[in-house]
Amino acid sequence: NAGVTQTPKFQVLKTGQSMTLQCAQDMNHNSMYWYRQDPGMGLRLIYYSASEGTTDKGEVPNGYNVSRLNKREFSLRLESAAPSQTSVYFCASSAGQAIYGYTFGSGTRLTVV
Amino acid sequence: AQTVTQSQPEMSVQEAETVTLSCTYDTSENNYYLFWYKQPPSRQMILVIRQEAYKQQNATENRFSVNFQKAAKSFSLKISDSQLGDTAMYFCAFDSGYALNFGKGTSLLVTP
Repeated sequence: NAGVTQTPKFQVLKTGQSMTLQCAQDMNHNSMYWYRQDPGMGLRLIYYSASEGTTDKGEVPNGYNVSRLNKREFSLRLESAAPSQTSVYFCASSAGQAIYGYTFGSGTRLTVV
Repeated sequence: AQTVTQSQPEMSVQEAETVTLSCTYDTSENNYYLFWYKQPPSRQMILVIRQEAYKQQNATENRFSVNFQKAAKSFSLKISDSQLGDTAMYFCAFDSGYALNFGKGTSLLVTP
């Protein structure tokens, strides 16, 4: 089925460990996004990539890095995980124009202990 | 920066009744898009309805409709004939031109 695939779905990390969240879309979308969702906070934008080869900071970029590997893939890396990064992470993609809407992955629940 | 405000953290409605979820936003742009997303316990983000600001007519999708008041910067969602499957978090979102800005959400519980 066409859509956005995120891996892993669940992860537990120890403080200071690093990991990469993977995201891939097969809809030939230009733009991709990483959000985090915390209780009572809605979804907040971490980083986005308007097109292959470009990335920009969102509202809450501190502690994260991203890579737009190619048009399909957009990864999010935590270099040194902290408990404050415990959250649900969503990847999304869009064709680049709002009229076409956004497609979301199923999310990654990350716990940092 | 655009902000989206959902003033109702939690709401409850009985099955078959009608409920309205509120959303206000702040922007200086004239043309933009607004969305309502549903997030059931499965965590999946599901597009409910979208509205283009330059269109006067309110968007409708089956039991879901919006009341879009551009001058007041208000974008409320009305759910008619509520069903148990409508129980979910509902997020209002504004397209800023490069990404979606979300409100904090309204948790809707539909009771039998």
